[in-house]
Amino acid sequence: QITLKESGPTLVKPTQTLTRTCNLSGLSLNNRGEGVAWIRQPPGKALEWLALVYWDDDKYYRPSLKNRVTITKDTSKNQVVLKLTDVDPVDTATYFCAHGEGAGSWFFDYWGPGILVAVST
Amino acid sequence: SYVLTQPRSVSVAPGKTATISCGGDTIGTKSVHWYQQKSGQAPILIISYNGDRPSGVPERFSGSNSGNTATLTIDRVEAGDGADYYCQVWDSTYDQIFGGGTKLTVV
Repeated sequence: QITLKESGPTLVKPTQTLTRTCNLSGLSLNNRGEGVAWIRQPPGKALEWLALVYWDDDKYYRPSLKNRVTITKDTSKNQVVLKLTDVDPVDTATYFCAHGEGAGSWFFDYWGPGILVAVST
Repeated sequence: SYVLTQPRSVSVAPGKTATISCGGDTIGTKSVHWYQQKSGQAPILIISYNGDRPSGVPERFSGSNSGNTATLTIDRVEAGDGADYYCQVWDSTYDQIFGGGTKLTVV
């Protein structure tokens, strides 16, 4: 059974770094053609993808956030970590990690439950 | 930048057919995926590659894609189909790979 679960602080102060960890079970980060993405959803708004790391460690970032976001994978721990620097209240959102796969067009077939992260003083 | 446009809301009576559009420039040349998201829950993949249904998704859900519009169709709508629906394409150069979402209300 494939499961993903996000963890990390749920309250972050402005200008600090938001860190989220995705723990994966039932799948390997080394499987060819697969990857893990971070996707967020501000309250009452649409989904926004942030970053994706492929099985071969290739990484892709939302163009408008490229200078602030980093995604890394730790295969030994079966974890994927997102870091978002210099946060602002507009970064308040539910952050999801999701397993992705696809040949030429990625889709996300397994999602973590997501946790709301608030950016506030 | 590439923009995916969805209607904000669609209403349908139980037992009828709901159609949700996703507009984008030459979207017919891309593969479109669809997600259902119920309140307070994570999204669920319901259609991949324009029209493929993952295991467990009812046959009432179908998708098509041509020209500048992709469409999700839900036949014989049930009360439990009420949710937000998102279309998605993949291109790492885009800021927006998800549409803005459509709220389906079963009335």
